[in-house]
Amino acid sequence: AQRVTQPEKLLSVFKGAPVELKCNYSYSGSPELFWYVQYSRQRLQLLLRHISRESIKGFTADLNKGETSFHLKKPFAQEEDSAMYYCALSGPTSGTYKYIFGTGTRLKVLA
Amino acid sequence: DTGVSQNPRHKITKRGQNVTFRCDPISEHNRLYWYRQTLGQGPEFLTYFQNEAQLEKSRLLSDRFSAERPKGSFSTLEIQRTEQGDSAMYLCASSPGTSGKNTGELFFGEGSRLTVL
Repeated sequence: AQRVTQPEKLLSVFKGAPVELKCNYSYSGSPELFWYVQYSRQRLQLLLRHISRESIKGFTADLNKGETSFHLKKPFAQEEDSAMYYCALSGPTSGTYKYIFGTGTRLKVLA
Repeated sequence: DTGVSQNPRHKITKRGQNVTFRCDPISEHNRLYWYRQTLGQGPEFLTYFQNEAQLEKSRLLSDRFSAERPKGSFSTLEIQRTEQGDSAMYLCASSPGTSGKNTGELFFGEGSRLTVL
């Protein structure tokens, strides 16, 4: 079954502390993994994709196929990082273009 | 282009009534998706279209739900005989699909919030 698991509903850290938002997935095939973010009163938007291997707003995520994980990391959290974060996967190599989302983690960065 | 547009933004209805939501995707995007989101949950896949063809539909989508995209542009999601459990945010998203440079990114609308009394 295709599944994305985000074990933490809420993660609170102090400004300047490192952040790691966990994401594990279950998928038979080669999925594409994404992180989406929703800031307060804004629409859901893409943060980063595993394929691009880029750093966006200081965030990075590495796909670990052995552990089926795609954790999101940032070395020094900022207050403006406070938001809902959703991990998602799609499986274009399996002929489907639907996206499966996790339940999300709320990140609160405290001053 | 202002992005994906959804209407109405809020809908309050009585149980048993029918409701329809409309989604206008970004022009030239040929894939269009519908998701449902309830409190504390992530977006739950309902269905998606490539142009006017409905390519996949969630098993969670009961026969009271129907979606159309008749001309491959805007889409409608209709819920018949609404139930209180249908109360949720209904999200629409679009992507370039095969029509252009596709990075895999979904572009979301602001959602249509349904409250069934």
